[in-house]
Amino acid sequence: AQTIHQWPVAEIKAVGSPLSLGCTIKGKSSPNLYWYWQATGGTLQQLFYSITVGQVESVVQLNLSASRPKDDQFILSTEKLLLSHSGFYLCAWSLDWGGVQNTLYFGAGTRLSVL
Amino acid sequence: GEQVEQRPPHLSVREGDSAFITCTYTDPNSYYFFWYKQEPGASLQLLMKVFSSTEINEGQGFTVLLNKKDKRLSLNLTAAHPGDSAAYFCAVSSTSSGQKLVFGQGTILKVYL
Repeated sequence: AQTIHQWPVAEIKAVGSPLSLGCTIKGKSSPNLYWYWQATGGTLQQLFYSITVGQVESVVQLNLSASRPKDDQFILSTEKLLLSHSGFYLCAWSLDWGGVQNTLYFGAGTRLSVL
Repeated sequence: GEQVEQRPPHLSVREGDSAFITCTYTDPNSYYFFWYKQEPGASLQLLMKVFSSTEINEGQGFTVLLNKKDKRLSLNLTAAHPGDSAAYFCAVSSTSSGQKLVFGQGTILKVYL
């Protein structure tokens, strides 16, 4: 069975400090991977997606970057946090891009508070 | 591109009553539809995925209706109980969204005794 693990569970960071969030998928080779952001009480905004190692597409510009250094790993980062980065970050995977199986399966998420 | 409007944003129902949530979408070429449940502080859990060919989909304690003519997707929780209290999100996938799932704004449902 596939498992998706996100780390850390929660972070409290200062404005201007760096950030790195991670996501690992086990049990599935070459999944499509996604980062989503959810403001408190808000809807989900897709930030990045990746269909293969080393390739990441940006969907919105929020002064964040993402990388896929390994097939099963997706990293979200920034060198300088803003207050507006606070929220809930969700990693997700899917089997297929644009196909019938385009169902997203989400990790447990990382809650980020920027002070 | 695809736009999804979800209503209502908040819903309170008594235990045993029905809860009805609706999403309207704009792209007539939308093919895949999803409902997700998010319990407080938790991640999103897939409730049901619906394909365009099926208008009525039954789940455990809920029904999903797809009206392609009106471009409307609905979730009906029948006989709601306190464990159904959560945020619910619809999502739609279409060619105009570049196969990206476009999420509705969410509905926060509270079921009281």
